[in-house]
Parts: sequence; C-alpha cells; structure tokens
Amino acid sequence: DIQMTQSPSSLSASVGDRVTITCQASEDISNYLNWYQQKPGKAPKLLIYDASNLGTGVPSRFSGTGSGTDFSLSISSLQPEDIATYYCEQYDNFLGTFGGGTKVEIK
Amino acid sequence: EVQLVQSGAEVKKPGESLKISCKGSGYRFNNYWIGWVRQMPGKGLEWMGIIYPGDSDTRYSPSFQGHVTISADKSITTAYLQWRTLKASDTAMYYCARGIAPNSGNSPFEYWGQGTLVTVSS
Repeated sequence: DIQMTQSPSSLSASVGDRVTITCQASEDISNYLNWYQQKPGKAPKLLIYDASNLGTGVPSRFSGTGSGTDFSLSISSLQPEDIATYYCEQYDNFLGTFGGGTKVEIK
Repeated sequence: EVQLVQSGAEVKKPGESLKISCKGSGYRFNNYWIGWVRQMPGKGLEWMGIIYPGDSDTRYSPSFQGHVTISADKSITTAYLQWRTLKASDTAMYYCARGIAPNSGNSPFEYWGQGTLVTVSS
C-alpha cells in the first residue's frame, strides 16, 4: 500500500502569513494527489485535485504543487476562515490513501 | 444540484448488523463512482472503498476488505455501507462521496454526504 506522510501535524500562524503543508508519498504517484479541507463538524471539501488544479469555488490564495513523491499545499495569505484540518489524498489503481492531517490554527 | 444525503445516526450493540445509506440526486447516478470514508472520533480520514453503481464494480481498501460490504441500488440511486457484525471499534462518522469525473474510479471526491454517525456500545 502507498503511505502518505503529511507534515507538520499542526501549525499556528498569524492572519496574512503564508502557510505551507507538505505531503510525501511512499512511492511515485505521478500527480494523483488531492487536498481536502475539513472544518470542525463538517464534511471534507475538495480544495486541490491532480496536485495543482483548484477545486470549484476555492479561493485563489490556495495552491498546490508537486509530482512524483513530494507535494505541497500553500495558503498565500492565511485568513480566519481557513482554520481547519487539511488532508492530502493519493489515488491510484482504484485505491486511495489519506495523509494524517494538518491542523491549522491562528496565532 | 448534486446532492448526497445520508441516513441518520445509529446506535447499535456489538454483534449487531447495520446498513447505512447514501442517496444521490442531481446527476447520472450510474456513471459516477461513490466512495466511503471513515473518521473515528478525533482522528483523521480513512479511505474505505468505492463502487460504480452502473455495474456494481466494487473496490476495497485492504484495511476494510472483509469487514464491510459496499453495495448500490441504481433503481433508487442509493449506495450502501453494511456490517454483519459490529464492533465497538466501528464507532465513527462515515461519509459517502462522489468522484469528480464520470466513469473514473481514480477520481478525487468532489461531492460529500453530510455523514452518518455510528455508535457501537454495549
């Protein structure tokens, strides 16, 4: 099975800061990498798919990069409404795996 | 409007069986893979498996194979997640979700249900 290692597990940043979360796959997954945002008590929301494509209605301050085994999600200017837990997900050959999650808080 | 509406919260005893549902509407139900995702209390997301309602092709994560059954009834545009024998460790929120692209099993989950909380306790 492909393992996804996400870091950090949590972070605290100020409003307006640039925030970056990384995700590493245990083997080459090309660009089959998605990012989800989950707010407390809510279902996850697709932010980025295929490593770098913005989901429907997602603000442009979110961006994704990477291919192969190393990927990142960036928030260019952290906003109060971005407080959430973020998960990466790889999918390949009809099998998916989520990363452990990164909890983002406001300092 | 695409919607996935899940059945309500359940409280069960260990050893009991359970089937929860996820009704899709607003799109061609047969043509999009639907997946199930587990979230145990205070924990992260776990990918369980997916089903293509058009022909009931089903794939499971090795972690869940043999422990749950995923099915679908395309006549009523509903997918299901089923347990024959529940354990306390099955206590979790379960989400269904639909793939972003038609006919593709290798697809991110664009639409999500509201979740079904399953509590298993004696």
